[in-house]
Amino acid sequence: SQQGEEDPQALSIQEGENATMNCSYKTSINNLQWYRQNSGRGLVHLILIRSNEREKHSGRLRVTLDTSKKSSSLLITASRAADTASYFCATGPKGGGNKLTFGTGTQLKVEL
Amino acid sequence: DTEVTQTPKHLVMGMTNKKSLKCEQHMGHRAMYWYKQKAKKPPELMFVYSYEKLSINESVPSRFSPECPNSSLLNLHLHALQPEDSALYLCASSHQGLAVTYEQYFGPGTRLTVT
Repeated sequence: SQQGEEDPQALSIQEGENATMNCSYKTSINNLQWYRQNSGRGLVHLILIRSNEREKHSGRLRVTLDTSKKSSSLLITASRAADTASYFCATGPKGGGNKLTFGTGTQLKVEL
Repeated sequence: DTEVTQTPKHLVMGMTNKKSLKCEQHMGHRAMYWYKQKAKKPPELMFVYSYEKLSINESVPSRFSPECPNSSLLNLHLHALQPEDSALYLCASSHQGLAVTYEQYFGPGTRLTVT
């Protein structure tokens, strides 16, 4: 089973609206990361939040982490058509190491 | 330079062929990865190299053979593949994680079709 489950699986919004996607995970982590993937391309790292942080901002991105609920959310404010992509959360295990475990992903479509 | 390059971009091969995928990074990263990704699915980890040594093999069939000739290069040798191996193959690199898990930098991928 997936370490990370994301919801919704797909999200369609209008340009200028905010987009929120959620990630749940099962085991203890040292950090949680969010990646974006444009269709058929490589993944791009967006933001990393450590297990002792609760909220982090980067430009139009806001990430929250609730380790007691084993969940995270990614908020994209004032969305643009260029934000259309798949978004994946990925967790690094407690204790560290190289292995990231990816969530199932959310497909975001931002319409003009 | 924060780029990971992969060649070729597209590859079509028959089930009896032997081919190789190549990956290169010049960020000084000492961990390199191969992932397989099917459409609308997350990437699945295949192999991890740490300081040019294979550190993780996620029970990948032997028809996939990784190689790390030096700290900047990563190859994936393919032999006798099956049609279900058709997928996007992604290479990534990162700093070597000890107590933390670093962000990974991905290449654009090789779209592989096995006929």
